[in-house]
Amino acid sequence: QQQVKQSPQSLIVQKGGISIINCAYENTAFDYFPWYQQFPGKGPALLIAIRPDVSEKKEGRFTISFNKSAKQFSLHIMDSQPGDSATYFCAASMQGGYNKLIFGAGTRLAVHP
Amino acid sequence: EAGVVQSPRYKIIEKKQPVAFWCNPISGHNTLYWYRQNLGQGPELLIRYENEEAVDDSQLPKDRFSAERLKGVDSTLKIQPAELGDSAVYLCASSRGQANTEAFFGQGTRLTVV
Repeated sequence: QQQVKQSPQSLIVQKGGISIINCAYENTAFDYFPWYQQFPGKGPALLIAIRPDVSEKKEGRFTISFNKSAKQFSLHIMDSQPGDSATYFCAASMQGGYNKLIFGAGTRLAVHP
Repeated sequence: EAGVVQSPRYKIIEKKQPVAFWCNPISGHNTLYWYRQNLGQGPELLIRYENEEAVDDSQLPKDRFSAERLKGVDSTLKIQPAELGDSAVYLCASSRGQANTEAFFGQGTRLTVV
């Protein structure tokens, strides 16, 4: 019930392509779904987040799509750049806050020039 | 503003030895978190503080792990004695303390137990 399942484990995309990372959850009490970006040797940094009352949120080249009925959400990175190469984590929490983030296992993205 | 500061960055110890990690949160942030990130995994919450009070320590292995946040600012996480399975990155994060505010992570301490 507490798990967040993330796929794929790793992803290789050509520069300019679209990167898509998917997450699924079981606990319907989750009401906040952030994505974090982590570079080697650094802590995770919030990239973009969504709440279940909207189906899509876009910030620059990053878009979250949310499907409440399927209990799935995904991150789309448009026009992927080599600088986007990092590990991406989806997460979920209850009560709208950061009180207890449940993280997925992560996706290692490599964008080739 | 300065970010979350953690020290040391790296630590190598032999099993059964004690180890301590230190965290200085962002100024004005009342909530402090300790997460553990195993290799190839996402972070897992160990403990959350609201000011000086530990409000969620359900996933802290209390037989060997302890934490404190004196004066509601800096925090220390201790492991005694360390086991091989404790090898991981220990991340500290902080937030303003109200719901819906972003948690900022430090760079972490990479612990290797040999």
